[in-house]
Amino acid sequence: SQQGEEDPQALSIQEGENATMNCSYKTSINNLQWYRQNSGRGLVHLILIRSNEREKHSGRLRVTLDTSKKSSSLLITASRAADTASYFCATDVMDSSYKLIFGSGTRLLVRP
Amino acid sequence: SQTIHQWPATLVQPVGSPLSLECTVEGTSNPNLYWYRQAAGRGLQLLFYSVGIGQISSEVPQNLSASRPQDRQFILSSKKLLLSDSGFYLCAWGGETGGAGGYTFGSGTRLTVV
Repeated sequence: SQQGEEDPQALSIQEGENATMNCSYKTSINNLQWYRQNSGRGLVHLILIRSNEREKHSGRLRVTLDTSKKSSSLLITASRAADTASYFCATDVMDSSYKLIFGSGTRLLVRP
Repeated sequence: SQTIHQWPATLVQPVGSPLSLECTVEGTSNPNLYWYRQAAGRGLQLLFYSVGIGQISSEVPQNLSASRPQDRQFILSSKKLLLSDSGFYLCAWGGETGGAGGYTFGSGTRLTVV
């Protein structure tokens, strides 16, 4: 079963605008991660935020985590056409397997 | 350096035929390894994971099986493919932290069962 659900399912913005994607999950977590997938390719790890962190930055990426609401958001600032991809959140299952449960993803289109 | 390899990239197989997808990791030892399947336009579904040689955990009852014959090799198999087995199969490695710091994914295998 899927732990995380992204919102919106699809997002179309103009180059230079900011893109915000949201993720909700169901159970307690150690950390939440965001991944990017270009069409037909493998996923690439973008950023990880631990359950005791509220905000994290990496370049043009900003991730927030609200464990009380079981939600996270990924903000991509000053978007570029090359940011066009699908973005997935993933949560761990708090055991020694380090299994990750992925959400359904947000398809981002950045128009030049 | 540490890398993950997955092959083949694409595969078209008839219904009822066997399947073998291979994933190998280089530059590390005793990796945590994972097989995921992605239906078109959907999220990833965890199929199997392995924390060591001969140790396989199945997440979803299905027509597939996995094996780990060597430390850095993870194989996804089927004796008889079904149409519903079509999808994009991804192997992932948990990295030096076992997965606590994020996964590294292979490039995926697109399987079409006809």
